[in-house]
Amino acid sequence: GENVGLHLPTLSVQEGDNSIINCAYSNSASDYFIWYKQESGKGPQFIIDIRSNMDKRQGQRVTVLLNKTVKHLSLQIAATQPGDSAVYFCAEIENSGGSNYKLTFGKGTLLTVNP
Amino acid sequence: DSGVTQTPKHLITATGQRVTLRCSPRSGDLSVYWYQQSLDQGLQFLIQYYNGEERAKGNILERFSAQQFPDLHSELNLSSLELGDSALYFCASSSQTGAALGTQYFGPGTRLLVL
Repeated sequence: GENVGLHLPTLSVQEGDNSIINCAYSNSASDYFIWYKQESGKGPQFIIDIRSNMDKRQGQRVTVLLNKTVKHLSLQIAATQPGDSAVYFCAEIENSGGSNYKLTFGKGTLLTVNP
Repeated sequence: DSGVTQTPKHLITATGQRVTLRCSPRSGDLSVYWYQQSLDQGLQFLIQYYNGEERAKGNILERFSAQQFPDLHSELNLSSLELGDSALYFCASSSQTGAALGTQYFGPGTRLLVL
């Protein structure tokens, strides 16, 4: 589930393992989704995006899965490395094709990779 | 380095005051987005400008305003500051016209502390 304030959900994995980070979104009308990575002291960094007409998209070492039925988004990171340690959060956008869009971020998950 | 610059890095001020945060987008990017990140609210989209014009509004308070200048840099003005306005303020830029589609490049943020 989601936490607020300092209490982010956490995921701790061993280097080399695969990581799966989950996001439950709230708006069934959202048509575009993005995963961001935020390292300590830095701004968010775009990882991968997916449109609502897709259920899977792959990038380099990352895969995003979208299940619109249950409003669930996941980010899979293959062969997790210490440099992947960061807070990961999803964003959902409703009306991504227009100028009056609604952009909402999840609270984030802290991923810690143990060497 | 994302290519997006923000000044100042840190800002300490008192309640009731007004501050201006500045952002220079990546070379060639016409869109600028402003975000607020606080411990209790997480990351929130405030406003987007494209080529000098307001493009979309998010959860921006009436006490806050922004503008984008002909040289494409942007300023976020925060007035009648309250303790709850203490947060990290990020600017991001992209080449896209619309709803945060595709890759946005985030600046390092301005940390605002209202005492």
